[in-house]
This record gives sequence, C-alpha cells and structure tokens, in this order.
Amino acid sequence: AQSVTQLDSQVPVFEEAPVELRCNYSSSVSVYLFWYVQYPNQGLQLLLKYLSGSTLVKGINGFEAEFNKSQTSFHLRKPSVHISDTAEYFCAVSADSGTYKYIFGTGTRLKVLA
Amino acid sequence: ETGVTQSPTHLIKTRGQQVTLRCSSQSGHNTVSWYQQALGQGPQFIFQYYREEENGRGNFPPRFSGLQFPNYSSELNVNALELDDSALYLCASSPEPGTSSYTDTQYFGPGTRLTVL
Repeated sequence: AQSVTQLDSQVPVFEEAPVELRCNYSSSVSVYLFWYVQYPNQGLQLLLKYLSGSTLVKGINGFEAEFNKSQTSFHLRKPSVHISDTAEYFCAVSADSGTYKYIFGTGTRLKVLA
Repeated sequence: ETGVTQSPTHLIKTRGQQVTLRCSSQSGHNTVSWYQQALGQGPQFIFQYYREEENGRGNFPPRFSGLQFPNYSSELNVNALELDDSALYLCASSPEPGTSSYTDTQYFGPGTRLTVL
C-alpha cells in the first residue's frame, strides 16, 4: 500500500522569498507523483507530475519538484513566491500507470505575506 | 479550465436522507473517479468507474454507490446520510490509457460541497 506524508500543515513565507513544501511517500512498488493546488472554494489544479525520466520536474506558475528515490521524497519548490500563490497544496501518489487511483497527503497551506 | 463540471455546487441535506451528485467529464474520458475531501483533509478515494463498470473502491461503505453513463456523465449516490458525510465531493476524469490523449493525469472538477445537518 502507498502513503503520503506532508510534514508541514502550514507554511508562512514573505512575498518574493523562496519556499519548499515537503512531501514524503511510502511504497513497495514504483510510483507516480503529483502536486496539486487548491484555491479557496475550488477544485484541484495540477501543478506538476513525475512519471519517469528526469528527476527534476518543472510545472506551472514557476513551481518545480525533485524526485528523490533514495529519500522517498518529492518536495515542491518555488524561488520567489507571490501573494497569489496563497493556497492549499496537495502531494499525491499513484502506484500504477493508468489506474488513476491517487493517495493524497493531508495538504500544506501556503500563506504568502506582504 | 479542465472541462469537468459538477452539480450542484452546494447542497444541504438532513441525516438519513439520500443524495445524488453529478459529474460531467471531458469527451473521450472514460475513466471517472470520485473523492471525498473532509474539511482540513486531503481527498480520499471513494471509487472509480471505467467504461460504466466499477473499477476499484476505497474504504467507503456500500451506501456510497455510483453510476457512469455512455455520454461521459456520472453520478455519486449516498444513502442514509450521516453527519460525517459532510465534505467536498470531487470527481476527476481521465482519458483512455494507450490513446493519443493519454497523459496519466486526472482532471478534477470544482466539487460539490455537501452539508449534512
């Protein structure tokens, strides 16, 4: 079985500062990893995904994440955040290609301060 | 814009009632998954439908059931509502694996917020 841990429930950061949101996963099989963002009262929007290949993945809105198999991590980073990045961020794992059965973490609330 | 729509946006029911939530997927997306997101939590997988058949289920009781129709729409039905069923219900659609549109990604709708009193 797979599981996802997002260690930080809330991350406050000042505007234009860098940010890292942490995600660790547990799985006995190969996984596919995703980061989604949820703005207030909205559904989930895909930021980026790792399926295979390069371990550094670039996504939308200037976000990137690095897959680290030895540390079973998939941390999300952005070099300079904006007020508009304030949202809930979810890390998710899927065990097999094509099953689309995602296991989500509990989320990290990013609060960007002026 | 994902092309996935859900209705209604909000719904209030009382304990013991039944509810039907609806989802309309993108054309060509014959896999639909439903998730329950309780307040302050991540989405939890309820079940998935592929070509109108249930294709996997999470840890939810049988009073949660679903249907998928040939026109890429689907329903989530919940019987005997309990207070703990209050949550945001999300549907997500995905294209057929092996097709040119296959991206190994789910596309989520905006959700239906269900409140059970």
